[in-house]
Amino acid sequence: GAVVSQHPSRVICKSGTSVKIECRSLDFQATTMFWYRQFPKQSLMLMATSNEGSKATYEQGVEKDKFLINHASLTLSTLTVTSAHPEDSSFYICSAISREGAPLHFGNGTRLTVT
Amino acid sequence: AQSVAQPEDQVNVAEGNPLTVKCTYSVSGNPYLFWYVQYPNRGLQFLLKYITGDNLVKGSYGFEAEFNKSQTSFHLKKPSALVSDSALYFCAVRAYSSASKIIFGSGTRLSIRP
Repeated sequence: GAVVSQHPSRVICKSGTSVKIECRSLDFQATTMFWYRQFPKQSLMLMATSNEGSKATYEQGVEKDKFLINHASLTLSTLTVTSAHPEDSSFYICSAISREGAPLHFGNGTRLTVT
Repeated sequence: AQSVAQPEDQVNVAEGNPLTVKCTYSVSGNPYLFWYVQYPNRGLQFLLKYITGDNLVKGSYGFEAEFNKSQTSFHLKKPSALVSDSALYFCAVRAYSSASKIIFGSGTRLSIRP
């Protein structure tokens, strides 16, 4: 089945530094990738949608200069949390879709802790 | 606008009993409907989907879901629960429009007691 690899699974960084999270579709070409944020005991909040070769579409309230998304190829999207602060600590999950109507395939998530 | 409702935050079932996790949706036009399961500190795993065809959809791990257009529901079911089914379950919907996003419900925590 379709596999999405997300790396790292866990990262601890100091306030003010930047962190990059990678999301790769291993056995299919992802026309669209999505980045979600999940708070404890809550549902997934869509942060942005990215299509290969074009700028990401951010959801209302998500700072595009803080959460930089790059989708350089059909198999790789990256999320960079710039100048991280403790309130950015969260569980970030990426997902990818190969075609219309197909289910999303999710990475295993990244637990970000900003100290 | 699209929306998904999972009215139960938690469902408790004894092992071996049937389980149902409820989901209702609102979308313009025909929906794509999905169920996902999440284990602690992990991403979501796809269980099953409805796009068209038979209203009863069978998925992974013995789960099934029934699409009911008149009630706009897509409840997840399993005839006999296992302790290992304990997890967080999400219902999701997307309209046929390629520009529409997948919207997730708030999640239902399923707890199966031995």
